[in-house]
Amino acid sequence: DTAVSQTPKYLVTQMGNDKSIKCEQNLGHDTMYWYKQDSKKFLKIMFSYNNKELIINETVPNRFSPKSPDKAHLNLHINSLELGDSAVYFCASSQETGSGNTIYFGEGSWLTVV
Amino acid sequence: AQSVSQHNHHVILSEAASLELGCNYSYGGTVNLFWYVQYPGQHLQLLLKYFSGDPLVKGIKGFEAEFIKSKFSFNLRKPSVQWSDTAEYFCAVSPHQAGTALIFGKGTTLSVSS
Repeated sequence: DTAVSQTPKYLVTQMGNDKSIKCEQNLGHDTMYWYKQDSKKFLKIMFSYNNKELIINETVPNRFSPKSPDKAHLNLHINSLELGDSAVYFCASSQETGSGNTIYFGEGSWLTVV
Repeated sequence: AQSVSQHNHHVILSEAASLELGCNYSYGGTVNLFWYVQYPGQHLQLLLKYFSGDPLVKGIKGFEAEFIKSKFSFNLRKPSVQWSDTAEYFCAVSPHQAGTALIFGKGTTLSVSS
């Protein structure tokens, strides 16, 4: 069973569209994250939720909105997609933040905006 | 702000050569340290981690890393690389500080020729 699963794995869409990426974890973790990996492979935290509460919100355009219906799910909605949004988006989870716990990553969602 | 530096951007080795990838971090408090590997087109996989105890940690696939607290370093090593080790390697730090997530270095691309 996949511990952290995200869908879709590949997404090609036009500029201006709105899209969502879904993430689910079955590890019983309290904390979930979204990371963005750009074309230079750099990984940067975007958001983190702990028990459905937003606890990390890095400098990300307002077009990106995370939603956590429960602690096992963290979805990422992106409005008005731009070319620069093309990247790989990784969902991840851990027991909690700030205590150095191991973070487990999903397989990534490759987003291409054309 | 906390940061992680990986000194080698791209390393090219022949099979059977020894590998050492440098990683330094800037954070004065307690941290946990990780090395992740990303094979071409795939997601992040945990190679090894340091939480406490013996500063020399062994991971999967013959990799090891040594935590030197005085140098804020966590270098990755492998005595003899294989062609299948070709991948992107990320050092990451998890500070023991509320509201923080895993902080990644910019990655090192390892290319191994057979």
